[in-house]
Amino acid sequence: GAGVSQSPSNKVTEKGKDVELRCDPISGHTALYWYRQSLGQGLEFLIYFQGNSAPDKSGLPSDRFSAERTGGSVSTLTIQRTQQEDSAVYLCASSLVTSGGKYEQYFGPGTRLTVT
Amino acid sequence: TQLLEQSPQFLSIQEGENLTVYCNSSSVFSSLQWYRQEPGEGPVLLVTVVTGGEVKKLKRLTFQFGDARKDSSLHITAAQPGDTGLYLCAGGGSAGGTSYGKLTFGQGTILTVHP
Repeated sequence: GAGVSQSPSNKVTEKGKDVELRCDPISGHTALYWYRQSLGQGLEFLIYFQGNSAPDKSGLPSDRFSAERTGGSVSTLTIQRTQQEDSAVYLCASSLVTSGGKYEQYFGPGTRLTVT
Repeated sequence: TQLLEQSPQFLSIQEGENLTVYCNSSSVFSSLQWYRQEPGEGPVLLVTVVTGGEVKKLKRLTFQFGDARKDSSLHITAAQPGDTGLYLCAGGGSAGGTSYGKLTFGQGTILTVHP
């Protein structure tokens, strides 16, 4: 079946502009996650959606960042008034969260954001 | 807050050598996963371990979960250039806790295997 897809794959924007990044999770996965990754570094958690529960926004770095998940499927991460420090790869993952505690996450290819 | 310390951060070896990457925490995890990421791609799940003391093998890769479910190791035998990449460990929180459904990621190990 289809994996997690993200669009665009690359985005170059000017400082101060708003950007929207899209994630299509694996069909049937109840959980969706956004992460940020700087070059060669680990993953920085941003936000987590699980079913109909309120999202866990504890990782969002500022109020310029927001995300929504419509109909329990597609998610959009929005960054307003972009800054150069926002330049990174934004990764989306989805998971079928079970009580067994495996939480196996499947990642998309990422969106590389460059703010000039 | 659950933290995972991964070591070493960088590893540069010759083809044919063996290596071990460690992932340690003071917290107990319900599961521990290892991912491998190549440049320009998202991380790919290699293995999940859930039982203390569990050992899983994937060809030349051996994964172990500590008895207390606080640490894990990844051992690669006879490394090959195709093993080059970023290796990430990630721990799953316990059901009912604030981290339920989330993974805590280690900082990653960048492995380079030279021909």
